[in-house]
Amino acid sequence: AQSVTQLDSQVPVFEEAPVELRCNYSSSVSVYLFWYVQYPNQGLQLLLKYLSGSTLVKGINGFEAEFNKSQTSFHLRKPSVHISDTAEYFCAVTKIQGAQKLVFGQGTRLTINP
Amino acid sequence: EAGVAQSPRYKIIEKRQSVAFWCNPISGHATLYWYQQILGQGPKLLIQFQNNGVVDDSQLPKDRFSAERLKGVDSTLKIQPAKLEDSAVYLCASSLEGDIHSPLHFGNGTRLTVT
Repeated sequence: AQSVTQLDSQVPVFEEAPVELRCNYSSSVSVYLFWYVQYPNQGLQLLLKYLSGSTLVKGINGFEAEFNKSQTSFHLRKPSVHISDTAEYFCAVTKIQGAQKLVFGQGTRLTINP
Repeated sequence: EAGVAQSPRYKIIEKRQSVAFWCNPISGHATLYWYQQILGQGPKLLIQFQNNGVVDDSQLPKDRFSAERLKGVDSTLKIQPAKLEDSAVYLCASSLEGDIHSPLHFGNGTRLTVT
């Protein structure tokens, strides 16, 4: 079975500062990795995903994530955040073989202060 | 395109009562998912449909939860009887196909409070 650990439940940062949201996963088989964002009172939206190829993945809204197989991590980064990035961010994993059953981490609440 | 529609938006019931949630996926999407998101946790898959057939319901508490997708389009999730621990946001999602290359589109969810 797969599991995901998001190391920080809350991350406060100042506007225009860089941010990193940490995600580690556990799996006995090869996996695909995802980051989803949930804005207040909205459904989840896909930010980016790693399926194969380059380990540095670029997503929407200036976010990027790096897959590190040796450290089983998939940390999310943005060099300069905006107030509009305030949201909850979820890391998710699914095994490569079989139906797309996403296993989510518990989420990290990103709060941007002016 | 229209997104995934869910109703109601909020629901408050007493324990042991019954409740039903409705989901209308994006037109043409064959795969439909119901997730439960308890406060402070990530979403957990309850059931996955491919057209009107169940692909995975391994985490659905079948003694009290049921779901159907009779015509392969919209879906209903029911809880009977509800328990306090069922308080959560119930998210519906759909995808064109059930494979990794079909991104999931989520609805805004139904927030259930059981008192």
